[in-house]
Amino acid sequence: EVQLVESGGGLVQPGRSLRLSCAASGFTFDDYAMHWVRQAPGKGLEWVSGISWNSGSIGYADSVKGRFTISRDNAKNSLYLQMNSLRAEDTALYYCAKAAGWELLRYYFDYWGQGTLVTVSS
Amino acid sequence: EIVLTQSPGTLSLSPGERATLSCRASQSVSSSYLAWYQQKPGQAPRLLIYAASSRATGIPDRFSGSGSGTDFTLTISRLEPEDFAVYYCQQYGSSPLTFGGGTKVEIK
Repeated sequence: EVQLVESGGGLVQPGRSLRLSCAASGFTFDDYAMHWVRQAPGKGLEWVSGISWNSGSIGYADSVKGRFTISRDNAKNSLYLQMNSLRAEDTALYYCAKAAGWELLRYYFDYWGQGTLVTVSS
Repeated sequence: EIVLTQSPGTLSLSPGERATLSCRASQSVSSSYLAWYQQKPGQAPRLLIYAASSRATGIPDRFSGSGSGTDFTLTISRLEPEDFAVYYCQQYGSSPLTFGGGTKVEIK
């Protein structure tokens, strides 16, 4: 059974940093691209970032480019999101999602975690 | 960036009725790299349809997707009580990946 478990969320002040983690199990992690998607309270889904199976292709939404860094450790079956210079508008539930294939593009998201909440406030 | 516009914003229907949800793209979605997801309150999104018209594993056949280019449709042939939720379309063919704003299907 595929499981994606996010962690690392919490309350953080504007301008500070936070690192999210996603622990994956139930599938061969290094065969698949992975993504982060966020959802602000009461709002829709927003793609944040994605990474191909071997980290060779990485993409970011314009809203986080230059502030967030996605990475993965295939030996640990884990996905990460380093979030720097956080803003109030980054407040959201952050989901980890598994792509159905190895590339950054051309694959839909077939499994999602339950999310970890990030609140940016002073 | 491909902008996806979903309509209507809210659809008020009764169980047993047919639901037709629209997703329009600002430019052509390459190779029909379009998916639909269902999200219920307090839950993560669930994949329904990929490649515009292929049902995901375990999805009932009352859900169907169609369309190509810039116009896509999700149809629920007969609404069951568990189908009342928010539905999102997503294009995954070009970066940045984008989602539509969602259509809420509510009980009339």
